[in-house]
Amino acid sequence: DSGVTQTPKHLITATGQRVTLRCSPRSGDLSVYWYQQSLDQGLQFLIQYYNGEERAKGNILERFSAQQFPDLHSELNLSSLELGDSALYFCASRREGSYEQYFGPGTRLTVT
Amino acid sequence: GEDVEQSLFLSVREGDSSVINCTYTDSSSTYLYWYKQEPGAGLQLLTYIFSNMDMKQDQRLTVLLNKKDKHLSLRIADTQTGDSAIYFCAVTGGGNKLTFGTGTQLKVEL
Repeated sequence: DSGVTQTPKHLITATGQRVTLRCSPRSGDLSVYWYQQSLDQGLQFLIQYYNGEERAKGNILERFSAQQFPDLHSELNLSSLELGDSALYFCASRREGSYEQYFGPGTRLTVT
Repeated sequence: GEDVEQSLFLSVREGDSSVINCTYTDSSSTYLYWYKQEPGAGLQLLTYIFSNMDMKQDQRLTVLLNKKDKHLSLRIADTQTGDSAIYFCAVTGGGNKLTFGTGTQLKVEL
């Protein structure tokens, strides 16, 4: 158990809908990262937050957004969903001064 | 951008050593990682190495880094059936975001 939690574990929704994925980092970790794992694209970095502020952006679509709240949990919002958004979405957290990212169990999103 | 390559599949017999290889393109990669993913599970950090090191050993795991050839390897000694999983190499450049390889599926046969 990495100490990073993600909810829900599974999500099935229809095209055009909007969903929110939630991540709670390890206690004390200020950095949160979101990654997408799909069969065709592999594991890709989406976005990083540090103590409530966006730090880095990767291959994140404009239909996707994220935020980190004062209690350090983070949410990834996916809107106007397409079939191709079906994937595993992971969050990871990192402690200040450490170079280790610990991953949550992921949320499996299925868009039908 | 950074490109990280791995072979897709490796099969070994139980008790043998496994060697999983990874190549990367960005010579400024400072930290290099190995993660393990079991079916239906998240990514487990196994070990990592700083770019100023050549080797790191951690129990059954040995990581070798050849900076000149931009080649990273993970050796698992005395491979067990519980080691069957997908192994990902990942590297960081600036900002600590991880760039992952394609993953190597390790199958351990009895």
